Amino acid sequence: GAGVSQSPSNKVTEKGKDVELRCDPISGHTALYWYRQSLGQGLEFLIYFQGNSAPDKSGLPSDRFSAERTGGSVSTLTIQRTQQEDSAVYLCASSLEGTGVLNSPLHFGNGTRLTVT
Amino acid sequence: GDSVTQMEGPVTLSEEAFLTINCTYTATGYPSLFWYVQYPGEGLQLLLKATKADDKGSNKGFEATYRKETTSFHLEKGSVQVSDSAVYFCALSEAGRGFGNEKLTFGTGTRLTIIP
Repeated sequence: GAGVSQSPSNKVTEKGKDVELRCDPISGHTALYWYRQSLGQGLEFLIYFQGNSAPDKSGLPSDRFSAERTGGSVSTLTIQRTQQEDSAVYLCASSLEGTGVLNSPLHFGNGTRLTVT
Repeated sequence: GDSVTQMEGPVTLSEEAFLTINCTYTATGYPSLFWYVQYPGEGLQLLLKATKADDKGSNKGFEATYRKETTSFHLEKGSVQVSDSAVYFCALSEAGRGFGNEKLTFGTGTRLTIIP
């Protein structure tokens, strides 16, 4: 597609339920990121995939959070046993490569707004 | 660790006013610096960047200069328009410099509203 696509756009779930958030990156982009934007907070890095390398999971806040990227394309972020503090907008981004000197800006999706009741 | 501190909002200005949004950073090495913008109903997109000290990034009338001595990357525009209303995020990356991985570290964002 033309841009990064995320689904669903909104998700309301009960505390304790599991949720899956999906990201379709721009075709050909090898790097994929998940960020979280909580109310009044900046974008919080969660996880980064680059090609076939092991993902950088250093930003995942707890072991309830996990992510996969299948076939180097679509990614799924899973949150198990959701808590109210998980409520946030979850943003996915992709780029051709890294974000530094390689002239590869991040292209963000519109995000999934997760509300845990 | 790396961090970005930016001016708290919201900021409200009249059309044609001069804009400054302050951004300072803390980093291990010599990061690349970015401003991203999120227009209403759209995803974040890169506005401008600078990859080394004294570089000036510019786009759409916006400018920001990488100041190593003050660890700053303030965003400026001489005459804002209603269409500039958006949320602006300052960010840094140490990608490619051996000090970190490829992720961006973002500030909290500054909401800008321009009144006609």
